[in-house]
Amino acid sequence: EVQLLESGGGLVQPGGSLRLSCAASGFTFSSYAMSWVRQAPGKGLEWVSTLRGSGSGTYYVDSVKGLFTISRDNSMNTLYLQMNSLRAEDTALYYCAKHRGSTSPDLDFWGQGTLVTVSS
Amino acid sequence: QTVVTQEPSLTVSPGGTVTLTCASSTGAVTSGYYPNWFQQKPGQAPRALIYGTTNRHSWTPARFSGSLLGGKAALTLSGAQPEDEAEYYCLLYYGGARVFGGGTKLTVL
Repeated sequence: EVQLLESGGGLVQPGGSLRLSCAASGFTFSSYAMSWVRQAPGKGLEWVSTLRGSGSGTYYVDSVKGLFTISRDNSMNTLYLQMNSLRAEDTALYYCAKHRGSTSPDLDFWGQGTLVTVSS
Repeated sequence: QTVVTQEPSLTVSPGGTVTLTCASSTGAVTSGYYPNWFQQKPGQAPRALIYGTTNRHSWTPARFSGSLLGGKAALTLSGAQPEDEAEYYCLLYYGGARVFGGGTKLTVL
């Protein structure tokens, strides 16, 4: 059974940093691309970043380029999102999602999310 | 900035049929955009329904189908059930970047 468990969210001041983690199980983690998707309170879904299974090939939404870094530790079956210089508009529930293959554009499984609140 | 547009809201009668669409500001949506569709109910994580334009996941009920229609990606629900009331999102692939539509709130009434 595929499971994705996000953690690391919390309250952070504007300009601060946070690192999110997504612990994966139930599949061969290194063989699949992974993404982060966020949802601001009461709003729609926004794609944030994608990392291919091999660890090469990273993609970001323009609003987080140079601020967020996606990475993975295939030995630990864990996906990360390092978020720096956080702004109020980064407040959201952050989901990790699994792709159907190492380079597949298609998503299949989602975690339950971790909440990030940026506020003073 | 690329914008993906969905109907903000739609209503369908129980047992009825409804089509949700997904348009790209860059032009006609083709299979190369790998349209994905997701269902989200209040307080829950999104659930994948359709990938690669037309393909159902193993858990997707057969009453959901995906297609291309008039230059847009489309999700058709045939035989709507009360449990299908939810928000539906499409996702398009732009060769690396991805963009979600704004979502369609589907009411079954």
